[in-house]
Amino acid sequence: RKEVEQDPGPFNVPEGATVAFNCTYSNSASQSFFWYRQDCRKEPKLLMSVYSSGNEDGRFTAQLNRASQYISLLIRDSKLSDSATYLCVVIIYNQGGKLIFGQGTELSVKP
Amino acid sequence: NAGVMQNPRHLVRRRGQEARLRCSPMKGHSHVYWYRQLPEEGLKFMVYLQKENIIDESGMPKERFSAEFPKEGPSILRIQQVVRGDSAAYFCASSPEQGSSGTQYFGPGTRLLVL
Repeated sequence: RKEVEQDPGPFNVPEGATVAFNCTYSNSASQSFFWYRQDCRKEPKLLMSVYSSGNEDGRFTAQLNRASQYISLLIRDSKLSDSATYLCVVIIYNQGGKLIFGQGTELSVKP
Repeated sequence: NAGVMQNPRHLVRRRGQEARLRCSPMKGHSHVYWYRQLPEEGLKFMVYLQKENIIDESGMPKERFSAEFPKEGPSILRIQQVVRGDSAAYFCASSPEQGSSGTQYFGPGTRLLVL
C-alpha cells in the first residue's frame, strides 16, 4: 500500500467551480501534513500546511482528520491559474523531515 | 537571497556514462534533500544530507547512485553507468533545520535524459 494516496484525476472543471481533493495516508506516525502545487512538472511549491483544526487561505481550505488518516483540500471559485497538479505531502515522525509525496491530482480549470 | 540552485537544468547522457547533478542550497541552509520524479509518477525521496554527512539514504538505489555534501561547495548526486530508467527529473530541496516544519525550498530540478 502506498504511504500517501491521491486520486490522480484529471479533474476538469469550469471557472468558478468548487473542487475538492482527497488524500489518505497509511502511517499513523505521520506528524505533519501539507499541500504542495506543481506546475507542468516544475519544482513543487508549498501551498499550505494542514492542521487538525482546519485552515483557510483565501479560496483554499485544508482539513486533516487524524482518526481517519485523511486530508482534504477545497478550492472555491476556481481560476484558470489554479490549473496544476496538487500534491498531498506528509512528514513521518522521527524520519529526518523527508517529505513523502502522493502521486498528485491534476486539475484543469477551463474558461 | 538567491534560491536553491541546480545545474545543469537539462542533461543528456548515453547509456553507460556518468551523470553529475549539482545543488547549491539557499544561503544559511545546511540540510539538503534529493528527490526523483520519474515520468508520470510522483516525487520520491532519495537521500538527506547535512554538511559532510549522509543522514538518510533509504531512498537511494543500492547501486550506481551516490551523494555527497562537502564542507565547501554544492551537494552532488552522482549516477554511474546510467541506464534509460534513470531518465527523470531530479529535484533538490534545502532547509535551515531538520524537522517537521516541512519548510523545504526546492530548486528548479535537473532533467536527465538517457539515450
